[in-house]
Amino acid sequence: DTGVSQDPRHKITKRGQNVTFRCDPISEHNRLYWYRQTLGQGPEFLTYFQNEAQLEKSRLLSDRFSAERPKGSFSTLEIQRTEQGDSAMYLCASTGTQNTGELFFGEGSRLTVL
Amino acid sequence: SQELEQSPQSLIVQEGKNLTINCTSSKTLYGLYWYKQKYGEGLIFLMMLQKGGEEKSHEKITAKLDEKKQQSSLHITASQPSHAGIYLCGADISTNYGQNFVFGPGTRLSVLP
Repeated sequence: DTGVSQDPRHKITKRGQNVTFRCDPISEHNRLYWYRQTLGQGPEFLTYFQNEAQLEKSRLLSDRFSAERPKGSFSTLEIQRTEQGDSAMYLCASTGTQNTGELFFGEGSRLTVL
Repeated sequence: SQELEQSPQSLIVQEGKNLTINCTSSKTLYGLYWYKQKYGEGLIFLMMLQKGGEEKSHEKITAKLDEKKQQSSLHITASQPSHAGIYLCGADISTNYGQNFVFGPGTRLSVLP
């Protein structure tokens, strides 16, 4: 499977715990995006990378959120001291310079904070 | 995203009926993208429009970007249960916080057999 993969698909955690999500983009894609989606809403932009550089970060991303893409390949999104309001689907997407605007999405990582 | 609005918010149609979903931007669109999402899954790219007046079709789905490039419509002809899902428009636009790819809130379509 050469699509975008995300891990884990589901995560249930207690409030206050840290969680980390991983995204493996399509190998030749240099741009990688993270979105958060809650029920009944469209995806909200969180951040994006071009290669290993984090070029944009939404104001929605509080200090508890951090994303990395250390080698310009896979990316991680960490949420520290989770709150119930963090419960959402976290979507990762990637694209290459030749795929203008066509984002390829993973299946998402669903977070439930109890 | 407040930059993109969609209407209607939800739609229930009988199988075989035609329907239209609209996406409106507060800014000039240099590229408008339509995606479909099934509940709990990732988004699937449908089509991209870049030129004012451009119209594209794929199977029974047609999308158009208006001349002023601030609105797009997605039209489904003779809807089928397989068309059910959430339709999202997306655009690469400049926001107050930089340049990023944003989505509208989505239109939830249900098709009754």
